[in-house]
Amino acid sequence: ETGVTQTPRHLVMGMTNKKSLKCEQHLGHNAMYWYKQSAKKPLELMFVYSLEERVENNSVPSRFSPECPNSSHLFLHLHTLQPEDSALYLCASSQRHRGRGEKLFFGSGTQLSVL
Amino acid sequence: GESVGLHLPTLSVQEGDNSIINCAYSNSASDYFIWYKQESGKGPQFIIDIRSNMDKRQGQRVTVLLNKTVKHLSLQIAATQPGDSAVYFCAENAWGAQKLVFGQGTRLTINP
Repeated sequence: ETGVTQTPRHLVMGMTNKKSLKCEQHLGHNAMYWYKQSAKKPLELMFVYSLEERVENNSVPSRFSPECPNSSHLFLHLHTLQPEDSALYLCASSQRHRGRGEKLFFGSGTQLSVL
Repeated sequence: GESVGLHLPTLSVQEGDNSIINCAYSNSASDYFIWYKQESGKGPQFIIDIRSNMDKRQGQRVTVLLNKTVKHLSLQIAATQPGDSAVYFCAENAWGAQKLVFGQGTRLTINP
């Protein structure tokens, strides 16, 4: 186990549904991330929270809404998604150091299918 | 702009042979590099990393080589085993960016 837990593992939703993805990290890290992984594309960074403050939002559509209530929990709220949003959504955490690159610890992801 | 690419999308090796997975990057400011392994149904798992002040780093059965002159990174896996079958990603980070840029991945297949 990586210390990053994501639920649910699989999710099927209609375009009019509202659902939420949950992530919890047990590593004491100070930053959490949402990534999107689509077939044959590199991992796409969606959001970064550092010390519970959103520090990056990579032009993600407003139908994706992140929430970080504390340093251990991260949510991704989904509403009125499109079929092209079907992908593996990965949560990650890290211990951020000013200016330095650091390794990310990933969860197992939520495989999302939008019908 | 930033980009990280791998030379081959797939690689097949015989069990017991050594595997070499390559990666090219374009950002000359990149100073941190990392390799991940992703098995089916799992998230990416850290393998090994290296900073730009080094050109080689070894782990258990894995070695990462960094050639900053030609902006090339490679991952060598010794005595490849069936459990090494996975997609391997390289990623890089430039000083101050605090954001890993990932390549597309190479699928490693082990032939018995």
